[in-house]
Amino acid sequence: GQNIDQPTEMTATEGAIVQINCTYQTSGFNGLFWYQQHAGEAPTFLSYNVLDGLEEKGRFSSFLSRSKGYSYLLLKELQMKDSASYLCAVRANDYKLSFGAGTTVTVRA
Amino acid sequence: SAVISQKPSRDICQRGTSLTIQCQVDSQVTMMFWYRQQPGQSLTLIATANQGSEATYESGFVIDKFPISRPNLTFSTLTVSNMSPEDSSIYLCSVEDPGVNTEAFFGQGTRLTVV
Repeated sequence: GQNIDQPTEMTATEGAIVQINCTYQTSGFNGLFWYQQHAGEAPTFLSYNVLDGLEEKGRFSSFLSRSKGYSYLLLKELQMKDSASYLCAVRANDYKLSFGAGTTVTVRA
Repeated sequence: SAVISQKPSRDICQRGTSLTIQCQVDSQVTMMFWYRQQPGQSLTLIATANQGSEATYESGFVIDKFPISRPNLTFSTLTVSNMSPEDSSIYLCSVEDPGVNTEAFFGQGTRLTVV
């Protein structure tokens, strides 16, 4: 099975940078995903890592270290609309996703 | 990418009744999954629905409570049977197409309230 940990809440100021960490223990690994979810809406895809290293996509970057079972999502130049829940999800070899509990990010003016 | 149409988007149902949720994809996909998100919780996988085989359920979920159909590569249904207030959740379908896309795509979800 999978065990995925991420912080419950984070607060940051508009224009700042926030890093959301995710650690996982898995019996099989086939990629790690980050999703954004606004209240009452479905999750939307942000990033995908399957090899070690940093993936950059605009204001969002994601990093993976498979040997450490560790990933982070970096949000730069925070905007008010970035206030949401961020979900770390690990995909197993059977393509099932296991989700962390989510990190609620609050962006203050 | 895959575009998923899920309906209904929300419903309020009486306890003891059943609701069938539909998931329609704009392309043929190999793997479809059904997730539940209870209030304030993260997503939990209910079952995997691959075309041509019986759905496989995760621990804690059974076919009698959550029957699933997958008649073709673009469509699936999940039924929530004999509902109770504890079934009030958001239900989401997700698709993956190994070898074509790397990400999992989600429908917009069905917000179910059981009264």
